[in-house]
Amino acid sequence: DGGITQSPKYLFRKEGQNVTLSCEQNLNHDAMYWYRQDPGQGLRLIYYSQIVNDFQKGDIAEGYSVSREKKESFPLTVTSAQKNPTAFYLCASSISQVGALSGANVLTFGAGSRLTVL
Amino acid sequence: AQSVTQPDIHITVSEGASLELRCNYSYGATPYLFWYVQSPGQGLQLLLKYFSGDTLVQGIKGFEAEFKRSQSSFNLRKPSVHWSDAAEYFCAVGPAIGDQGGKLIFGQGTELSVKP
Repeated sequence: DGGITQSPKYLFRKEGQNVTLSCEQNLNHDAMYWYRQDPGQGLRLIYYSQIVNDFQKGDIAEGYSVSREKKESFPLTVTSAQKNPTAFYLCASSISQVGALSGANVLTFGAGSRLTVL
Repeated sequence: AQSVTQPDIHITVSEGASLELRCNYSYGATPYLFWYVQSPGQGLQLLLKYFSGDTLVQGIKGFEAEFKRSQSSFNLRKPSVHWSDAAEYFCAVGPAIGDQGGKLIFGQGTELSVKP
């Protein structure tokens, strides 16, 4: 079955360490996204990518970095510069926006990764 | 400013009772509207979406939502709630085709509890 796989599901980090969250999709979607979820705040966009080798900052990109070397993969690195990294991180994907109609903007989500800073 | 407001943080209903979750949005262009559901510790699943046409849209699991442009609202309804509907529900608004990709704006979420 097609879908999005996020790993690890749970991750613990010591202060000052960088960590990388994996996101892989086999839906043949062009666009991929990273959201951060905190209790009572909904989802906030960190980064998104609409094509391989290109990505844009979302609303809360500071302290995070991404890469998009392959269509299927969009890893997120939480750097030591992120002051409050403890959160639930969600990866999502959607079909290309160009020329898309009913499928446009319909996000498919992974199961999430919970990061805790010790 | 673009925003989505879900006025109710937490709602409790009895099993078998009807449900309405409220969603109001502020958006400069024609909005595309969505409702997603999230079970604890899981990702989000699409319940339904509105792009155009009939303002009453049907979704999965017996849910429906009505788009009211004059009220900038997109409320979610279900005639009879089941215990398995207990979850968190998110309303979201997105840009039209050709605009900034799938940059959805999400509401804060409404947590639904179901009493037996």
